[in-house]
Amino acid sequence: VHLVESGGALVQSGRSLRLSCAASGFTFEDYAMHWVRQVPGKGLEWVSGITWNSGTIGYADSVKGRFTTSRDNAKNSLYLQMNSLRPEDMAVYYCAKDRGATGWHYFDSWGQGTLVTVSS
Amino acid sequence: SYDLTQPPSVSVSPGQTASITCSGDKLGDKYTSWYQQKSGQSPVLVIYQDNKRPSGIPERFSGSNSGNTATLTISGTQAVDEADYYCQAWDRSTGVFGGGAKLTVL
Repeated sequence: VHLVESGGALVQSGRSLRLSCAASGFTFEDYAMHWVRQVPGKGLEWVSGITWNSGTIGYADSVKGRFTTSRDNAKNSLYLQMNSLRPEDMAVYYCAKDRGATGWHYFDSWGQGTLVTVSS
Repeated sequence: SYDLTQPPSVSVSPGQTASITCSGDKLGDKYTSWYQQKSGQSPVLVIYQDNKRPSGIPERFSGSNSGNTATLTISGTQAVDEADYYCQAWDRSTGVFGGGAKLTVL
């Protein structure tokens, strides 16, 4: 399993950014996927999850209405569209694989993360 | 919102047993997973569904979950086990992590 995030950047508060996660080494369309973030030096925070067919997408209250998770199974890719960014969204964003296709279980593989910096 | 509480730090001598707790309301009714994060690295799953070890995780890692507390136990702790450990559970389809416990092997 190999997960590679990209798209992290320095962005001004209020602007938008799109993160990508390229997956390989497993059958991407068979698994739910998640985004988890971590402020440097702080703890982990679940951001969003999406089932194998995008039938169910969940969000943390802290990002609901501002972030949108999507996936393209043909491209083995997961995306996180982040709008109206706030300084408190500044974090390393990890892509993580769920052990199942539907519902949320646990994160059995993680990417290396991509850093999003938001200036006020 | 649902909260999971972990001690900020746990210390253990090499070869001894380390126990890291995770507390939450009726946590025993939910599945808990545990993640190890070494400095500068991504998290790694070490326990899932309360007490199951993924392949490649040493047998010295074990877990339990009952009542309001889940516990990660590391038997015969080694220096390589020094890391931050996070518990995680699901509440109403929302992922919740504990604040993390820093394990120091003295």
